[in-house]
Amino acid sequence: NAGVTQTPKFRILKIGQSMTLQCTQDMNHNYMYWYRQDPGMGLKLIYYSVGAGITDKGEVPNGYNVSRSTTEDFPLRLELAAPSQTSVYFCASSYPLDRYNEQFFGPGTRLTVL
Amino acid sequence: GQNIDQPTEMTATEGAIVQINCTYQTSGFNGLFWYQQHAGEAPTFLSYNVLDGLEEKGRFSSFLSRSKGYSYLLLKELQMKDSASYLCAVRGGPSSGYALNFGKGTSLLVTP
Repeated sequence: NAGVTQTPKFRILKIGQSMTLQCTQDMNHNYMYWYRQDPGMGLKLIYYSVGAGITDKGEVPNGYNVSRSTTEDFPLRLELAAPSQTSVYFCASSYPLDRYNEQFFGPGTRLTVL
Repeated sequence: GQNIDQPTEMTATEGAIVQINCTYQTSGFNGLFWYQQHAGEAPTFLSYNVLDGLEEKGRFSSFLSRSKGYSYLLLKELQMKDSASYLCAVRGGPSSGYALNFGKGTSLLVTP
């Protein structure tokens, strides 16, 4: 199993550009999450999904959109990039019936908006 | 809402024991997690507590007191590779998709 994979690993965007951060998991997890991590600020939940076709907002959803057309994929879309979106983005997945239901994290995407 | 507090930084000596505390105030509680995060890497799962008491896992132990809103992570026989950030996280319930609410993390430096 590859676990949770994310692409790209690094990206620099100009203000106003758009991009999609890709996230794929091969563990057949139905729960998936997007977090952002700013220096010294911990991880904040952007969006989550409890299964294909079902998504919901987290703590900091403004400026982002998601979709979940398959169990495996959960892309995060930035439509009009702003400097405030400079951050490290982590995708995670979990399966609620597992013993600990821990979340497995992808390697992250480091995004800079200039 | 949820408020999770942990110390910003700690320093300890190789071979020693260190305890990292975490206090939380939450509107709902569905378990507490500790994750380890090395610089530039993803968080990795260390431990999980949902009932009061101590969970031991090799060199790592985690304790939970739900009535006090308190947990700690205990690291024994510290090694240089234990230098990392340690994240305390409280899991929400089904209405939030069991999402994690993280503290800001404790940066641990292990010195020779």
